[in-house]
Amino acid sequence: GAGVSQSPSNKVTEKGKDVELRCDPISGHTALYWYRQSLGQGLEFLIYFQGNSAPDKSGLPSDRFSAERTGGSVSTLTIQRTQQEDSAVYLCASSSPPGLAGVSDTQYFGPGTRLTVL
Amino acid sequence: GNSVTQMEGPVTLSEEAFLTINCTYTATGYPSLFWYVQYPGEGLQLLLKATKADDKGSNKGFEATYRKETTSFHLEKGSVQVSDSAVYFCALSDLNTGNQFYFGTGTSLTVIP
Repeated sequence: GAGVSQSPSNKVTEKGKDVELRCDPISGHTALYWYRQSLGQGLEFLIYFQGNSAPDKSGLPSDRFSAERTGGSVSTLTIQRTQQEDSAVYLCASSSPPGLAGVSDTQYFGPGTRLTVL
Repeated sequence: GNSVTQMEGPVTLSEEAFLTINCTYTATGYPSLFWYVQYPGEGLQLLLKATKADDKGSNKGFEATYRKETTSFHLEKGSVQVSDSAVYFCALSDLNTGNQFYFGTGTSLTVIP
């Protein structure tokens, strides 16, 4: 079946511009995550959506970052007034709900969007 | 709170050497533990997982055992190949914190022929 898809794959923008990054999760996955991976760094959690619950925004680095998830499926991460330090690969992942045993399921990652802010 | 600490890299090994990448965790509840791998130019993919204490996850010759007493999930492989060169991430998921995943910083492995 189709995996997690992200678009665009690459985005070059000028400092101060707004950008939107899109994520299409695997069909039926209720959980969706955004991460940021800077060069040589690990994964930095940004935001997490689970079903119809309020999103966990605790990882968003500033109020320039926001995300929404429409209809429980597609998600858009928006970065306003981009700065050079926003340059990174932005990864999206989705997972199915915990099973009857209450065990967390595996995350499936998209290919990422490489953002370069000039 | 929840966190994952993994061995810093980079790690360079000769082909057929034994690999250990250490991972320890802190969790408030009973987390599931994962190893993800990122091959050059590719996205992250699950390598193996363990969902409860004493479970052993295994895949592609890699193994990791969920040790609650030492809060560890060390990744091992008896004989590495050049094709194992990648970045390895240890991660945990804890339902007590809403199923959020916590990742280590990654360990880069290079295997030379």
